[in-house]
Amino acid sequence: QKEVEQNSGPLSVPEGAIASLNCTYSDRGSQSFFWYRQYSGKSPELIMSIYSNGDKEDGRFTAQLNKASQYVSLLIRDSQPSDSATYLCAVFTDYKLSFGAGTTVTVRA
Amino acid sequence: SQTIHQWPATLVQPVGSPLSLECTVEGTSNPNLYWYRQAAGRGLQLLFYSVGIGQISSEVPQNLSASRPQDRQFILSSKKLLLSDSGFYLCAWREPGGAYGYTFGSGTRLTVV
Repeated sequence: QKEVEQNSGPLSVPEGAIASLNCTYSDRGSQSFFWYRQYSGKSPELIMSIYSNGDKEDGRFTAQLNKASQYVSLLIRDSQPSDSATYLCAVFTDYKLSFGAGTTVTVRA
Repeated sequence: SQTIHQWPATLVQPVGSPLSLECTVEGTSNPNLYWYRQAAGRGLQLLFYSVGIGQISSEVPQNLSASRPQDRQFILSSKKLLLSDSGFYLCAWREPGGAYGYTFGSGTRLTVV
């Protein structure tokens, strides 16, 4: 079983719509959870972090965490063409950050 | 503010040649440092991490090695590259003991031919 799994993409959404990304993790002892955005050919950029159950909002991004279900999600509201990228879910456990394979999002005008 | 530098940006090397990639962090002390590799279309794989000078932990056995000769310098090396070593190599850092996410350098795209 992979440590971090993300819903398979690619995900295509129209401009202005909501993009919903999901992630599950295997280790119940995981402590911190992150979403990274990676544009093609570039390095990952941290866009959201969440540490406790519930929702966390930052601009058009909302992260949701449910530790009982071992589930993390990211919502992108009012999607823009500049949101087209691969989104990586990352889970911090013990000493390291483990990444999912990523979900590629394409926002079509 | 903290910054992370990684070079070179791109590299094309023949099979069997040596490799040296360098990463430096500015504006912080005693950072935790990491080397990741991302193969084409795949997720990030942790290769090495270091919590201090001379302290290196390896996640995946392979023909790569890492060293930390100074507090804010992390080097990834190989004596003889394989075709399978091609990929996007990323250095990252975080504050020790912090729950924060890692900050990545700009990466090195290595192609072994």
